[in-house]
Amino acid sequence: EAQVTQNPRYLITVTGKKLTVTCSQNMNHEYMSWYRQDPGLGLRQIYYSMNVEVTDKGDVPEGYKVSRKEKRNFPLILESPSPNQTSLYFCASSLSIVNGYNEQFFGPGTRLTVL
Amino acid sequence: RKEVEQDPGPFNVPEGATVAFNCTYSNSASQSFFWYRQDCRKEPKLLMSVYSSGNEDGRFTAQLNRASQYISLLIRDSKLSDSATYLCVVKNSGGYQKVTFGIGTKLQVIP
Repeated sequence: EAQVTQNPRYLITVTGKKLTVTCSQNMNHEYMSWYRQDPGLGLRQIYYSMNVEVTDKGDVPEGYKVSRKEKRNFPLILESPSPNQTSLYFCASSLSIVNGYNEQFFGPGTRLTVL
Repeated sequence: RKEVEQDPGPFNVPEGATVAFNCTYSNSASQSFFWYRQDCRKEPKLLMSVYSSGNEDGRFTAQLNRASQYISLLIRDSKLSDSATYLCVVKNSGGYQKVTFGIGTKLQVIP
């Protein structure tokens, strides 16, 4: 089944404790992206990746890191989480996003709470 | 002004009603437009693309008004299962350009 998976789905952590949210897709998509969704603010892009070893900042990259060492995986790293990073996080992938738009497929979301 | 603006609602409508949402965008260079549907606390999923001449998919009709820079989504004969948040998505043209999501319009269809 074609899908985007994220883990963990739910996480409660404390300020400053490094964490990684994994994202994996099995559709051989080139483009992958991380979003956070907050009430009243909608989906905001954190980082995106056009292909392996190619990543770039989105609208709200502060406090986050990403890597794209393999085409299928795009982990999101919070080196020192803070309470303002409490949010619902979505990973998404699409075939490409250059010169046109290919549907973005979203993972099921990760609900993160930072105390 | 926000790049993409939507009325967050909620729109409460009875079953069988027709409901329409608008979404305005600020960048006149925007070229590609879409509607996504998001059920409560779940991932967004593509509902339909919006073409220049307007397009229909069953009970759903999408329209684009470039002069006034807005897109619309019309839902006819609303079903309980249409209850969701509808996200407007805008992409600029040429090469890689950012995809911007609206905050979404919440629809609640009431029996």
